[in-house]
Amino acid sequence: DSGVTQTPKHLITATGQRVTLRCSPRSGDLSVYWYQQSLDQGLQFLIQYYNGEERAKGNILERFSAQQFPDLHSELNLSSLELGDSALYFCASSADRANQPQHFGDGTRLSIL
Amino acid sequence: EDQVTQSPEALRLQEGESSSLNCSYTVSGLRGLFWYRQDPGKGPEFLFTLYSAGEEKEKERLKATLTKKESFLHITAPKPEDSATYLCAVQFSGGGADGLTFGKGTHLIIQP
Repeated sequence: DSGVTQTPKHLITATGQRVTLRCSPRSGDLSVYWYQQSLDQGLQFLIQYYNGEERAKGNILERFSAQQFPDLHSELNLSSLELGDSALYFCASSADRANQPQHFGDGTRLSIL
Repeated sequence: EDQVTQSPEALRLQEGESSSLNCSYTVSGLRGLFWYRQDPGKGPEFLFTLYSAGEEKEKERLKATLTKKESFLHITAPKPEDSATYLCAVQFSGGGADGLTFGKGTHLIIQP
């Protein structure tokens, strides 16, 4: 058990809809990261938050946004969903020091019908 | 462009048959290289961090090494429970802050 909790485990919705994925980091970790894993692209970094502030953006679409709340949990919002957004979405967290390993949750599987 | 390439894509071994997985990278300023194991339906599980060329880390039947351009994950006398996808990721000094750049993984199967 990594200590990172993601909900829901599965999500099925339709094109054009909006969904919110939730992540609780490991106790004490200040950084939260979101990744997307698809069969053809592998794991892709989307965005990082550190202690409530956005720290870095990776390959995140404009239709996607995230935030980190004062209790350090994070939410990833996906809107105007397209078939190609079907993927596994992982959250990871790490301690505040640089170069520390990131610990991953078990992901949310998003299926767009 | 910063890239991470893993080989082979898939590897099938007999129980007890040792082998090595490769991760080569082209990044401008390596801050750290990470190995993860991923089982079906699960998130990546952290194995090792390597920071500088010449560094080695060991855990049970696994040993990770790092050179200036690649890393190897050596698996000694593997058991069926070592079957998984092994992912390599790098953290570099570029604009992605602490985000990891992952390879596509090596799918390892250990047959009894």
